[in-house]
Amino acid sequence: DVKVTQSSRYLVKRTGEKVFLECVQDMDHENMFWYRQDPGLGLRLIYFSYDVKMKEKGDIPEGYSVSREKKERFSLILESASTNQTSMYLCATSAGDREGETQYFGPGTRLLVL
Amino acid sequence: AQSVAQPEDQVNVAEGNPLTVKCTYSVSGNPYLFWYVQYPNRGLQFLLKYITGDNLVKGSYGFEAEFNKSQTSFHLKKPSALVSDSALYFCAVRDERGFKTIFGAGTRLFVKA
Repeated sequence: DVKVTQSSRYLVKRTGEKVFLECVQDMDHENMFWYRQDPGLGLRLIYFSYDVKMKEKGDIPEGYSVSREKKERFSLILESASTNQTSMYLCATSAGDREGETQYFGPGTRLLVL
Repeated sequence: AQSVAQPEDQVNVAEGNPLTVKCTYSVSGNPYLFWYVQYPNRGLQFLLKYITGDNLVKGSYGFEAEFNKSQTSFHLKKPSALVSDSALYFCAVRDERGFKTIFGAGTRLFVKA
């Protein structure tokens, strides 16, 4: 089974702080994704990566950056946290077989920015 | 552009009754369609997907979904609901040329005992 872990389940930060969310997968998957989940909006893609050191912007990249130095690890960085970044953050991976690839999700990090 | 619509925010059904959670989509090419489920305080779990072939797809926990190309729909169904099916359900779509998966807003299913 694919295992996707996220560094924190709950996080409370102050406005202006730099925030790091980490995601680690153990299945040697090529692709990794960061989403945020908000009620009524579903999941929105922030960034994704299809290889080490490669990254692509998703639909809502503003205020975020990412890092993928190793294949198994994909970090999401909030450069200067703001209250409108309070959300549930979900990491996902997929094998890289583009046809109908299934995504595997971590448990999520619920971030509160005060 | 790709899009997914889940027209119902919430679906209520009695245990033992059949359930349907609706999904319609829009893509420019052939669609890859998915259903995921999210239990409280958990990440999303894959339920089933349609890639090609038989329009009726069977998945985990007794769920199935029917791909209807003419109506651009992919409704999730189960013949007999369980209280434990209560969760948030997401429909998602990718087209064959794209890299991104687009998720619907989600439908909350309540199954009453």
